[in-house]
Amino acid sequence: QKEVEQDPGPLSVPEGAIVSLNCTYSNSAFQYFMWYRQYSRKGPELLMYTYSSGNKEDGRFTAQVDKSSKYISLFIRDSQPSDSATYLCAMSGLQGAQKLVFGQGTRLTINP
Amino acid sequence: GAVVSQHPSWVICKSGTSVKIECRSLDFQATTMFWYRQFPKQSLMLMATSNEGSKATYEQGVEKDKFLINHASLTLSTLTVTSAHPEDSSFYICSARVPGQGDYGYTFGSGTRLTVV
Repeated sequence: QKEVEQDPGPLSVPEGAIVSLNCTYSNSAFQYFMWYRQYSRKGPELLMYTYSSGNKEDGRFTAQVDKSSKYISLFIRDSQPSDSATYLCAMSGLQGAQKLVFGQGTRLTINP
Repeated sequence: GAVVSQHPSWVICKSGTSVKIECRSLDFQATTMFWYRQFPKQSLMLMATSNEGSKATYEQGVEKDKFLINHASLTLSTLTVTSAHPEDSSFYICSARVPGQGDYGYTFGSGTRLTVV
């Protein structure tokens, strides 16, 4: 079993739709939960991070963490064609290990 | 914001030659840098962690002698792919810990696409 599981998609939705991206994880010791956006042939860029459980909102993006279920989500409202990218969840905070553990990434396409 | 500059963005080399990829932290000191490899439609695979002034720590299965990592200063880390072969063709990305941002503070370079012919 992978430490972090993410449906690779691809996911294709019409412009304006609400997009839901999810990851599950197995290690309850993770403390920080991040969402990165990666455009083709570019490095990942941090979209949002959440510490422990809870919700966080930033414009059209909302991140949710449910540590009891080991489940995290990213919601994109009013999706735009420019949101088309691969979205990677990542986790960190394991004691003694300063590294990120990534999900597989979900390839998202927003159709005009 | 904290920026990591990675060069070159793409490189083509002949089989058997070596290629060096550089990552520089532009506006902060990067004590720790990470090197990833990414195959098409796949996630980032951590290859190694480097700390300034010390030997890199390689992940299981990564050949130390093929992927040489040097982190000689607080702003520069290099990855050298030695005796490259077509199977080394991939997208290589560096990352650095951003001081003061805890366990969420990782910034990434723009990646290097290596093609070995």
